[in-house]
Amino acid sequence: RKEVEQDPGPFNVPEGATVAFNCTYSNSASQSFFWYRQDCRKEPKLLMSVYSSGNEDGRFTAQLNRASQYISLLIRDSKLSDSATYLCVVESHYGGSQGNLIFGKGTKLSVKP
Amino acid sequence: DGGITQSPKYLFRKEGQNVTLSCEQNLNHDAMYWYRQDPGQGLRLIYYSQIVNDFQKGDIAEGYSVSREKKESFPLTVTSAQKNPTAFYLCASHPQIHSGANVLTFGAGSRLTVL
Repeated sequence: RKEVEQDPGPFNVPEGATVAFNCTYSNSASQSFFWYRQDCRKEPKLLMSVYSSGNEDGRFTAQLNRASQYISLLIRDSKLSDSATYLCVVESHYGGSQGNLIFGKGTKLSVKP
Repeated sequence: DGGITQSPKYLFRKEGQNVTLSCEQNLNHDAMYWYRQDPGQGLRLIYYSQIVNDFQKGDIAEGYSVSREKKESFPLTVTSAQKNPTAFYLCASHPQIHSGANVLTFGAGSRLTVL
């Protein structure tokens, strides 16, 4: 089982739609979770952290389910500018060769007019 | 402004040549990372460094080398031993490797093409 898995998409949605992405992780000792956004041919940028109680930032809602080991990102009222690839990132504090930060392959979102 | 500067942004290399990608940060971060990204793929860790004069191999270190002589600088050399070096290379930094902070900052990337 891969350490961090995401549906690659693409998710093609109309403007104004609600879209949800899921990410699963295999290391139950993982401590911190994040969603990053990456525009085409650009560097990833932090979108939001994911807290156990769930958190919201405007149209974006992130949730964590530790029992099932998955993270979700919900985008409401999609805008054209939301078109990007969304990367799930998991941070563990118990060694490993990856320096404790593991990236999913990303889910591509395309919002159409 | 604080940040990470990568150079060059675009680089073309002939087969058999070594090239060095520069990464400089003025964020006073302890940890620095090099990732490689191929089209449609996630980021794969090449090397990381937690402190000056120390670095660790990531998952795909073969054909690459790094140095960390200064806190601010973490250059990556792509050697001729790297069989498929064409990729997008991202440098990142983090305050401390076990800080749990969400402040992972990336440079703008270097796109290497082997001709």
